[in-house]
Amino acid sequence: ETGVTQSPTHLIKTRGQQVTLRCSSQSGHNTVSWYQQALGQGPQFIFQYYREEENGRGNFPPRFSGLQFPNYSSELNVNALELDDSALYLCASSSGGQGTDTQYFGPGTRLTVL
Amino acid sequence: DQQVKQNSPSLSVQEGRISILNCDYTNSMFDYFLWYKKYPAEGPTFLISISSIKDKNEDGRFTVFLNKSAKHLSLHIVPSQPGDSAVYFCAASAEAGTYKYIFGTGTRLKVLA
Repeated sequence: ETGVTQSPTHLIKTRGQQVTLRCSSQSGHNTVSWYQQALGQGPQFIFQYYREEENGRGNFPPRFSGLQFPNYSSELNVNALELDDSALYLCASSSGGQGTDTQYFGPGTRLTVL
Repeated sequence: DQQVKQNSPSLSVQEGRISILNCDYTNSMFDYFLWYKKYPAEGPTFLISISSIKDKNEDGRFTVFLNKSAKHLSLHIVPSQPGDSAVYFCAASAEAGTYKYIFGTGTRLKVLA
């Protein structure tokens, strides 16, 4: 069974640019959540997708958007990058959208905005 | 406003002893709580959870205690092993049906051999 994978591992962008981060869910999982973890902080919930529909969102501006594909892989897009967007971005997948099924996290993508 | 607080950034414990990690929360609407463990360069790994209708949940060496009146959560690891050395995050949820977990800032546990 393949775990959750994320790409790329590291990324450096400049302020104002756009970035796309990718996540492949664990086999059989139909729910994916994205989190932002700033240095020294815990993960912060960005949004979740269940069967290709966004069904939960945290306190992030609309320039953070996402997609979930029919194979349940996912993308996180961030437009107009700001310096504060520098963080570790984690995705997590689970087999149900109920919020109590175990989530499996990927290793994250480290984004640096200069 | 930190709704979930882990006030101890770090903790050192001797191998074989008990590790107690603490977490406080402010939102009385939280009804589901979790603990995650994170090793460097890896994503968090789910450890154990507890619903607000319970005050204790046990899974092998890991026990989570919930004190709703004090808005306090703790994780006990007995006995502690060197492989338990990691950063531990507590998390809480008030929105059923989502993974909108509110995480604490983490406690780094070091188990000394």
